[in-house]
Amino acid sequence: ILNVEQSPQSLHVQEGDSTNFTCSFPSSNFYALHWYRWETAKSPEALFVMTLNGDEKKKGRISATLNTKEGYSYLYIKGSQPEDSATYLCAFTGNQFYFGTGTSLTVIP
Amino acid sequence: GAGVSQSPSNKVTEKGKDVELRCDPISGHTALYWYRQSLGQGLEFLIYFQGNSAPDKSGLPSDRFSAERTGGSVSTLTIQRTQQEDSAVYLCASSPGLYSYEQYFGPGTRLTVT
Repeated sequence: ILNVEQSPQSLHVQEGDSTNFTCSFPSSNFYALHWYRWETAKSPEALFVMTLNGDEKKKGRISATLNTKEGYSYLYIKGSQPEDSATYLCAFTGNQFYFGTGTSLTVIP
Repeated sequence: GAGVSQSPSNKVTEKGKDVELRCDPISGHTALYWYRQSLGQGLEFLIYFQGNSAPDKSGLPSDRFSAERTGGSVSTLTIQRTQQEDSAVYLCASSPGLYSYEQYFGPGTRLTVT
């Protein structure tokens, strides 16, 4: 079993603050790194899929970077809004699929 | 268009009974995945199907768990002789291909074993 670790486990930020989380994963047998947003009572929703070292993806106020050589990815949220409150999951795909336990974000109005 | 659907949405069963959980993937998606989330735990990979290839069953927690996918579309996850530790939310997802494709998740089935 591979370890995909996310930090922090949870955080609370004020509306308008920018924030970032980390996903650490094994640097061997890498195919792709996924980020998902999981809101309470809903299904996980895909944010990004990254496959190449140095990839950077952006969707609105959310962006992500990937470093496959050192085995980490960052997710950034600029100007957090209450609707950004959710658990953010990363998933490492090698020859299987391994999800981290997520970072729970609460944005306080 | 229609997303991934799962049924039932909730299932309560007695310990020792068999249960079947159903997943209807997005039409045209060749890959289908089953995950579960136990209370307080992260998403645990169970099994995936890709096209007509043999499924990767390496994530199934015991031989009481099995899954099939008929005609490359609908999938059924079967749990035999359910145990209380099987209580979890079972999520199904599908994608146009493996690994580097976004997965689209269904709403899940909440299984409670009493």
